[in-house]
Amino acid sequence: NAGVTQTPKFQVLKTGQSMTLQCAQDMNHNSMYWYRQDPGMGLRLIYYSASEGTTDKGEVPNGYNVSRLNKREFSLRLESAAPSQTSVYFCASTLQGVGTLNTEAFFGQGTRLTVV
Amino acid sequence: KNQVEQSPQSLIILEGKNCTLQCNYTVSPFSNLRWYKQDTGRGPVSLTIMTFSENTKSNGRYTATLDADTKQSSLHITASQLSDSASYICVVTGLSGGYNKLIFGAGTRLAVHP
Repeated sequence: NAGVTQTPKFQVLKTGQSMTLQCAQDMNHNSMYWYRQDPGMGLRLIYYSASEGTTDKGEVPNGYNVSRLNKREFSLRLESAAPSQTSVYFCASTLQGVGTLNTEAFFGQGTRLTVV
Repeated sequence: KNQVEQSPQSLIILEGKNCTLQCNYTVSPFSNLRWYKQDTGRGPVSLTIMTFSENTKSNGRYTATLDADTKQSSLHITASQLSDSASYICVVTGLSGGYNKLIFGAGTRLAVHP
C-alpha cells in the first residue's frame, strides 16, 4: 500500500517553462489537495478536489492549474514558471472532506521545485 | 483572521529528556486539531487528531492536550529519542472562505542531541 505518491521528487525549471506535478493515491479517497510549503510558513492550499470531477481554488491558486484525472490522480500544472513558485509542493488526500470529524489526511513525500 | 501560531520556533534537547511544544489558534469555527511530524525531506505524518470535546490524546511517547476554551494545544514528548528530530506541525480544521480547510502552523523544529 503506497499511500500518496508524487512525481517528480526534484525539479529545476527556467523562468517561463511549464511542467506538471503528478499525484496518485491508492486509498480510494474522495478528496485530494495540493499545498506549497515555504520557509517559515505553514503549508498553504493551492487547489483542492472534493470529489472526482470537481476542483476548487484554495488560498494561493494564481499561476497554477489542476486536473482531477480520475479518483486516483490529481495533477498540478505550472503553465509559465516564475521564481516565486520556488517551493516544496505536497499532495494530500482524505477519505472525506477535512471538516468531517477525525478524517485523516495523508501526504505525499513532496516535490522540491526550483525556478531559476 | 484564522491563524495558528506555534512556539518555540526551534528547540534543542538532549536524548532522553522531555519537551513540550505549544500551539495557539484563533480559528473559528473550530472542527478539530491535529499534530503532525515532518521529517526532513518528507511529507507530514499524523500523530494525533482531537475534536473540541477531547482534552488529551496519546500516541506512544507523544501526548497532545487541547483547551478549546483558551484555544491552546500542546504536544508533550516523553523520553526523547534521536529519531524525534523533526518539525512538529499544529493544524487546525476550520471554516474559511466557504469551505472547511486545514490551517497550518509554521511548525517547531526539534533537534534531539545525544
